[in-house]
Amino acid sequence: ETGVTQSPTHLIKTRGQQVTLRCSSQSGHNTVSWYQQALGQGPQFIFQYYREEENGRGNFPPRFSGLQFPNYSSELNVNALELDDSALYLCASSPAGAGGLGEQFFGPGTRLTVL
Amino acid sequence: AQTVTQSQPEMSVQEAETVTLSCTYDTSESDYYLFWYKQPPSRQMILVIRQEAYKQQNATENRFSVNFQKAAKSFSLKISDSQLGDAAMYFCAYRSNLSGGGADGLTFGKGTHLIIQP
Repeated sequence: ETGVTQSPTHLIKTRGQQVTLRCSSQSGHNTVSWYQQALGQGPQFIFQYYREEENGRGNFPPRFSGLQFPNYSSELNVNALELDDSALYLCASSPAGAGGLGEQFFGPGTRLTVL
Repeated sequence: AQTVTQSQPEMSVQEAETVTLSCTYDTSESDYYLFWYKQPPSRQMILVIRQEAYKQQNATENRFSVNFQKAAKSFSLKISDSQLGDAAMYFCAYRSNLSGGGADGLTFGKGTHLIIQP
């Protein structure tokens, strides 16, 4: 069984640029969630995708957007990068709806640095 | 909105001893899940243990057990026979189960850094 994978591992961007982060969900999981983890903090929920549609969103501005593909992989796009966007971005997958008793399985994350 | 509070930024325990990490949460919901996740320096978030709110029995996974007090909204993690490999950040997390739940994602606390003294 393949776990959640993310790419790239590290990324350095300049303020104002755009970035795309990628995630492949665990085999058999069709729901993907994205989280932002600032240094020394717990992860913050950005949004969730199910059946290629966003079905839940945290308190993040519209410049954070995403996609989910038919194979359940996902992208997180961030436009007009700001210094405060520097963080570890975590992707998590889970079975649909109430399946799997609510837990999510996380990837290793992408460390984004905005200069 | 739900909140999760971990009041211990850092805890230290001797190898082979027992340690308890605290977590409290605030919610108006009655159906939800609680989790403890471990994040070692490798950064990968690993599920340690899960508790369904409708279950009165405390969850146990090998050396890890929880003390779930629903009325007090408390969810502590006990690690018995601590091992060097247990050293990590530990996060308490909440997830609603409304409407099959999960569109709100997980709400995490700020974490507790657990140090294991050899």
